[in-house]
Amino acid sequence: GAVVSQHPSRVICKSGTSVKIECRSLDFQATTMFWYRQFPKKSLMLMATSNEGSKATYEQGVEKDKFLINHASLTLSTLTVTSAHPEDSSFYICSAREPSGSRPDTQYFGPGTRLTVL
Amino acid sequence: QQPVQSPQAVILREGEDAVINCSSSKALYSVHWYRQKHGEAPVFLMILLKGGEQKGHEKISASFNEKKQQSSLYLTASQLSYSGTYFCGTEGDEDKIIFGKGTRLHILP
Repeated sequence: GAVVSQHPSRVICKSGTSVKIECRSLDFQATTMFWYRQFPKKSLMLMATSNEGSKATYEQGVEKDKFLINHASLTLSTLTVTSAHPEDSSFYICSAREPSGSRPDTQYFGPGTRLTVL
Repeated sequence: QQPVQSPQAVILREGEDAVINCSSSKALYSVHWYRQKHGEAPVFLMILLKGGEQKGHEKISASFNEKKQQSSLYLTASQLSYSGTYFCGTEGDEDKIIFGKGTRLHILP
């Protein structure tokens, strides 16, 4: 299957700082990427859909100004957690959709980023 | 709306079979199945399209009944490597996948 990378894999930061997470599709171009958040032993909660060249579409209840998403190219999407607080600590996973020419497209997940805010 | 998975957890002995169910309250275009091991990202297993298709991947297969808006994942002669949490993701008109809460599968030797 296709490969999706995320960086960093782990980050620890102080409360009030901003953290940027990168998601890259390594061997295909992804016009659409997705950002998920996962708490321990819980499901994958979709935060937003990232579209190359346009604004991200956020799910209900997700603060746009808190979680900034930029999809600058067909292989890179970034999630910036602004003014992070301890409640933002979580496992953030991105996925990229490999286009097949018709629906449905397969989504491949990155390895995830574990964010800990002190 | 989040699909409902059942059971929440399963414990099997190596070689036994298991079925994991996924149901939705809305019309579905496709169902996606993933397996996630602790601390790792979900790994893609298969996609099923409406039309009642079935698919297989080694000893793991799945079916999709679009009329009932249900999908089932079948694990045959389970292996230790099958342990993990299985998520179904459903896709409707909105062109995005919403995941169920997951089914934890533990295989005993």
